[in-house]
Amino acid sequence: KAGVTQTPRYLIKTRGQQVTLSCSPISGHRSVSWYQQTPGQGLQFLFEYFSETQRNKGNFPGRFSGRQFSNSRSEMNVSTLELGDSALYLCASSFYRGDTDTQYFGPGTRLTVL
Amino acid sequence: DQQVKQNSPSLSVQEGRISILNCDYTNSMFDYFLWYKKYPAEGPTFLISISSIKDKNEDGRFTVFLNKSAKHLSLHIVPSQPGDSAVYFCAGSRNAGNMLTFGGGTRLMVKP
Repeated sequence: KAGVTQTPRYLIKTRGQQVTLSCSPISGHRSVSWYQQTPGQGLQFLFEYFSETQRNKGNFPGRFSGRQFSNSRSEMNVSTLELGDSALYLCASSFYRGDTDTQYFGPGTRLTVL
Repeated sequence: DQQVKQNSPSLSVQEGRISILNCDYTNSMFDYFLWYKKYPAEGPTFLISISSIKDKNEDGRFTVFLNKSAKHLSLHIVPSQPGDSAVYFCAGSRNAGNMLTFGGGTRLMVKP
């Protein structure tokens, strides 16, 4: 079974631009979550989508948004990029059976904002 | 507000010995805990989990212990192998949901 895939793997943008990252979950998985990893703040939860609906949201500004498509693929968008948005963005998918669940992570997208 | 803390940023262990990684949490609403390991340039890989109704869970060389009264969990790796060298993260969640709160990680180095 193929794992979680994320594209692109590396991205360089400048301040003020916007960026869209893509995530394809493991086949059959319906939940997709996004996390940001930075040296200062560690791994932080951004949001979770399930059946095309945002189910949970972390403590990030409205510049961070996401969506999920009917095939469970997900995208996240960051508008008006700031230097502090430079980070590794990780996507994780899970089947979600309603009880204990395990998330499987992709390799991440390394975003650098100049 | 760090709800999950891993107070040891690094740990060095000899091959064949036991590795013990520790994690403390403050949010008493957490009812599910997970351990992930991460190699450079890769996403975290799931290792083992434990529900708050248990105090121990084993999977091969990996055992997780949960002490709810102390709000403390630990991951034991026996025997440690050089391939175990990685950064280990513990995470907690509420209602066994997918909104994970991670600790800062512990870098484990297993020396041959």
